Amino acid sequence: KNEVEQSPQNLTAQEGEFITINCSYSVGISALHWLQQHPGGGIVSLFMLSSGKKKHGRLIATINIQEKHSSLHITASHPRDSAVYICAVRLAQTLFGNEKLTFGTGTRLTIIP
Amino acid sequence: DAGVIQSPRHEVTEMGQEVTLRCKPISGHNSLFWYRQTMMRGLELLIYFNNNVPIDDSGMPEDRFSAKMPNASFSTLKIQPSEPRDSAVYFCASSLVRDRGETQYFGPGTRLLVL
Repeated sequence: KNEVEQSPQNLTAQEGEFITINCSYSVGISALHWLQQHPGGGIVSLFMLSSGKKKHGRLIATINIQEKHSSLHITASHPRDSAVYICAVRLAQTLFGNEKLTFGTGTRLTIIP
Repeated sequence: DAGVIQSPRHEVTEMGQEVTLRCKPISGHNSLFWYRQTMMRGLELLIYFNNNVPIDDSGMPEDRFSAKMPNASFSTLKIQPSEPRDSAVYFCASSLVRDRGETQYFGPGTRLLVL
């Protein structure tokens, strides 16, 4: 079983819909990252969080440390949001200065106009 | 800032040949990461440097892979000899680590095909 699980694996929605992508992890973590990979292959870091909630434009990321779960939400989705969204965690037992990330397998999001 | 720069962007080579991938991190960043992405295994960390020193190389698949960071502005990932199973996209990322869990900035990747 992977230490980081994402759901769904694939998601297709109509433009304007509210999108939720989930990430669950089975180990203690010190930080969780949400990344976006566009069809061209480039990877962009969206959020890094260790507690609570962060918002950037139409994107919202939340994390519940007790439940070992994070969600990425997209409001008023748009075709340009079509991408693979990847969850990654930094394990709690890593030493200070060790920034190794463990990745989920990604969620492929397609927004139809 | 130009962001993380990787070269080449694409590489096609024959099995047994040596392959060298290059990375220039964002100026001022003190940490550099090499990742490999395949359809089967997704993104995997190969090696991570902090202040030019390798911190974690547990992801380096085998002795055919080696990575160096001679200075703060340059790193190489070398595969010798290359094999078809090394075909993947290799990403370099950098970050400024002041505390735990800093944002990583990814390069555009090098798409490697070993025939």
